[in-house]
Amino acid sequence: KQEVTQIPAALSVPEGENLVLNCSFTDSAIYNLQWFRQDPGKGLTSLLLIQSSQREQTSGRLNASLDKSSGRSTLYIAASQPGDSATYLCAVRMFSVKLSFGAGTTVTVRA
Amino acid sequence: EAEVAQSPRYKITEKSQAVAFWCDPISGHATLYWYRQILGQGPELLVQFQDESVVDDSQLPKDRFSAERLKGVDSTLKIQPAELGDSAMYLCASTEGSNTEAFFGQGTRLTVV
Repeated sequence: KQEVTQIPAALSVPEGENLVLNCSFTDSAIYNLQWFRQDPGKGLTSLLLIQSSQREQTSGRLNASLDKSSGRSTLYIAASQPGDSATYLCAVRMFSVKLSFGAGTTVTVRA
Repeated sequence: EAEVAQSPRYKITEKSQAVAFWCDPISGHATLYWYRQILGQGPELLVQFQDESVVDDSQLPKDRFSAERLKGVDSTLKIQPAELGDSAMYLCASTEGSNTEAFFGQGTRLTVV
């Protein structure tokens, strides 16, 4: 069974600092990995999808890396802003197309 | 912009009553998921459809939960009878294929009293 872990569970940084969010998974036979953002009481918003054959994916201030062999992905958010405050979730997709989620990292960016 | 539609957004129901949630995926998306998310935890898969067929319902409490996607488009998730422990966010998601992004709806927040 795929286990997805996100550490730390919560993170607080001053505005302008770069954010580094970690995701690890136990079964490296994944199809792809997706990062999501969730605001309180809302659904999930897709941020980045990174295929198993890719090493990284970028969108604006966001950059996600993937090391499939070691079972790790990292989401970098450059020059954080208060609007980046949210919970960030990673999900790995197995070949069954099932998405398995971590518990998320709750980020607070202090103005 | 296409999005996954869910209704209702909020539902309060009494214990032992029946409740139903509806989801309309993005047009053309063959795979549809129902997830349950307890506060402070990550979403957990309840059921996955490929077109109208159930692919994975191993975590669905079948004594009280049922799900259908009759024409392979929209879907309904039902709970009967509801229990206090069913209070959670119920999320619907869809994807076009195995190598494409999954998109989520805004969810239904269920409170069982």
